[in-house]
Amino acid sequence: QKEVEQNSGPLSVPEGAIASLNCTYSDRGSQSFFWYRQYSGKSPELIMFIYSNGDKEDGRFTAQLNKASQYVSLLIRDSQPSDSATYLCAVNMLGFQKLVFGTGTRLLVSP
Amino acid sequence: DVKVTQSSRYLVKRTGEKVFLECVQDMDHENMFWYRQDPGLGLRLIYFSYDVKMKEKGDIPEGYSVSREKKERFSLILESASTNQTSMYLCASSLSGQETQYFGPGTRLLVL
Repeated sequence: QKEVEQNSGPLSVPEGAIASLNCTYSDRGSQSFFWYRQYSGKSPELIMFIYSNGDKEDGRFTAQLNKASQYVSLLIRDSQPSDSATYLCAVNMLGFQKLVFGTGTRLLVSP
Repeated sequence: DVKVTQSSRYLVKRTGEKVFLECVQDMDHENMFWYRQDPGLGLRLIYFSYDVKMKEKGDIPEGYSVSREKKERFSLILESASTNQTSMYLCASSLSGQETQYFGPGTRLLVL
């Protein structure tokens, strides 16, 4: 079992719709959770981080964390073609000095 | 704003050459990381460092070494480049292991 799992996609949504990206992790002791966006040929850039159970909103983005079920999700409201990218989930496991990254979900937003 | 810079955006090297990739961060971060990224394989951690002169192997350290003589600088060394080391190399830094990693722009290395 991979430590951090994401569906590779592509996830296709029409412009204006809500995109829902999901990530599951294996270590119950994980403490911090991150979503990165990566455009083709570019480096990952942070969208959001979340530490506590529940929802965290930032503009059109909402991160949702459920530690009991070991998943974290990212919702993108009013999706735009410029949101088309690969979204990476990353998790820090207790006692480790590093993040573990999923392989990413490719999102395609069509006009 | 955190700034992570990498010495080159593109590099072309010959098989057997020694290759140096350099990364510099300007935010006094304790932790620095080197990843490679290949299509379908995601980000794979090569080495990381949590303090000056300290290093730890990541998931794929074979064929690589690192050096961290100063806090702001973390170098990745390919002792004898091989074609299977053709990849995108990404450096990142963070204040601690639990916190956000900030990435440099990446170096696309081609080994012929």
